[in-house]
Amino acid sequence: AQKVTQAQTEISVVEKEDVTLDCVYETRDTTYYLFWYKQPPSGELVFLIRRNSFDEQNEISGRYSWNFQKSTSSFNFTITASQVVDSAVYFCGLIGGSNYKLTFGKGTLLTVNP
Amino acid sequence: GAVVSQHPSWVICKSGTSVKIECRSLDFQATTMFWYRQFPKQSLMLMATSNEGSKATYEQGVEKDKFLINHASLTLSTLTVTSAHPEDSSFYICSANPGLAGETDTQYFGPGTRLTVL
Repeated sequence: AQKVTQAQTEISVVEKEDVTLDCVYETRDTTYYLFWYKQPPSGELVFLIRRNSFDEQNEISGRYSWNFQKSTSSFNFTITASQVVDSAVYFCGLIGGSNYKLTFGKGTLLTVNP
Repeated sequence: GAVVSQHPSWVICKSGTSVKIECRSLDFQATTMFWYRQFPKQSLMLMATSNEGSKATYEQGVEKDKFLINHASLTLSTLTVTSAHPEDSSFYICSANPGLAGETDTQYFGPGTRLTVL
């Protein structure tokens, strides 16, 4: 069984603040894939990043960065200098081994206030 | 690349009628597509996996006779909600996996269809 926990239901910040969204996962597979998706108010899920279990290198893409730590089964997402357009629900997801099914966490609603 | 479309984006229907939702992969072929359901302020729940040329695989608790899935081509899957009732009102989202190099398991999502049953 696989499980994704996003403990933060809602986060509210002021523009230009840095914010970190937490994601903790559980899986028995040694090979697995972690994802982050953004769901703005329009509803469409936007793919942000994919990380496989053998690649623990942190990644940075513009204002976005991801911290993958297998020792704590975490895959946290940081937005630097947040902007109002970052306001959305962010989902962390997991695909374990040969199981193609994507398991989502419950999502974190991020509100960035001007 | 990896664009998935859905039609319609929203639909309102009367109780007892059937509604068809289309999911298309615009710039790639998809032997497998996925259908999710999302209630307000909740996460996405996988309903079924649509397989081109064969029967769909439904998740536990999903009524296959109520949610008919047809994957007749490599770019189109349809979800038909039969005899819809108000409790079927929800946001339905499809996804597909284009099998891009380096991310063969990444799903790309359509914009979703909001169904309201009166």
